[in-house]
Amino acid sequence: DTGVSQNPRHKITKRGQNVTFRCDPISEHNRLYWYRQTLGQGPEFLTYFQNEAQLEKSRLLSDRFSAERPKGSFSTLEIQRTEQGDSAMYLCASSIRTGDLLATNEKLFFGSGTQLSVL
Amino acid sequence: SQQGEEDPQALSIQEGENATMNCSYKTSINNLQWYRQNSGRGLVHLILIRSNEREKHSGRLRVTLDTSKKSSSLLITASRAADTASYFCAPTLIQGAQKLVFGQGTRLTINP
Repeated sequence: DTGVSQNPRHKITKRGQNVTFRCDPISEHNRLYWYRQTLGQGPEFLTYFQNEAQLEKSRLLSDRFSAERPKGSFSTLEIQRTEQGDSAMYLCASSIRTGDLLATNEKLFFGSGTQLSVL
Repeated sequence: SQQGEEDPQALSIQEGENATMNCSYKTSINNLQWYRQNSGRGLVHLILIRSNEREKHSGRLRVTLDTSKKSSSLLITASRAADTASYFCAPTLIQGAQKLVFGQGTRLTINP
């Protein structure tokens, strides 16, 4: 399967614990995005990378959230000291962005997500 | 705001009927994309329409774009049970934010 892969698919944790999710994008994609989605809502942007550089992080995102993409390939999203409000589906997406500084026609390819439940 | 706003929030029709959902946005765009999301899964790209296009077809999908009204519509013809999903539009700005921002979507239910 050459699509976007996310692990684990489900994670149940107790409040206060740390959790880490992994995303493996499509191999030639240089952009990687993280979104969070709660039931009945659209995906909420969290952060994105171009290669290994984190270019933007949502201002609404707590400092308990951190993401890395150390070699410009896979990415991890860590949530420290989880809270019940962190319960959501965490989606990863990847795309190819070419050099045009203006908006491109890039399409996002999404993984199936990691469903987090904080008890 | 960069995001599109989908309307209606929910739509329920009989199998075989056509489904139309709309998207409005507030700023000038380079293109607009539509995505589908089945329950518990990630989003899947359906179609992209550029700002200089007025209509685009892909199989049973027809997308229109009216930049003067800052709106787009997605028509699904001859709906099937498998079309049951949430549908999201995502405008891409001419300049500025480099990410896609999604609204709440339209939840489409196709009844057998």
